[in-house]
Amino acid sequence: GDSVTQMEGPVTLSEEAFLTINCTYTATGYPSLFWYVQYPGEGLQLLLKATKADDKGSNKGFEATYRKETTSFHLEKGSVQVSDSAVYFCALSGAGNNRKLIWGLGTSLAVNP
Amino acid sequence: NAGVTQTPKFQVLKTGQSMTLQCAQDMNHNSMYWYRQDPGMGLRLIYYSASEGTTDKGEVPNGYNVSRLNKREFSLRLESAAPSQTSVYFCASSSQASYGYTFGSGTRLTVV
Repeated sequence: GDSVTQMEGPVTLSEEAFLTINCTYTATGYPSLFWYVQYPGEGLQLLLKATKADDKGSNKGFEATYRKETTSFHLEKGSVQVSDSAVYFCALSGAGNNRKLIWGLGTSLAVNP
Repeated sequence: NAGVTQTPKFQVLKTGQSMTLQCAQDMNHNSMYWYRQDPGMGLRLIYYSASEGTTDKGEVPNGYNVSRLNKREFSLRLESAAPSQTSVYFCASSSQASYGYTFGSGTRLTVV
């Protein structure tokens, strides 16, 4: 079945460092891919998405490119801030009529000043 | 503001008590979902409703029931709460999954 694998956390960075959080997937067909962010004590928010191969999703300085050849959707940011400290979830829209989202386990990011 | 509203935000139950978690969305979405989130376990789907009038089990449905009351509302019921149901519960909705989900802010439930 469809699945998402994220790099394990926690990830700890200093402010202004470069961020990469790896996400790879297995899926039938052509899923849409998502990154969600969860700030402490809050629900999940859609950060960015891509709906077809080679699409780049971007938002708030974060980017991810849908790579079908490597089945990856890695999240990147050039210069993280303390306010980026959160848990990041990678997800894909599964196959079938109901097309539920399939989730990675999440990666916790802590950014120190 | 448009979105998904969950009530209550916090709840403490004694083992064996029952309660219903409420969820409402005002985005005219067809599909609604209930998840639980536990440390190290990610998000686990409890039940979902692909459209008004239908409900289906997710990964971890035991101990829960749901009702899709109308297009806006999707409630989750714990008939006899157990400590293993201590968790954070999230409701989400979508017009279709390939567009993404909108989440509520969660209900933090403790069963003692």
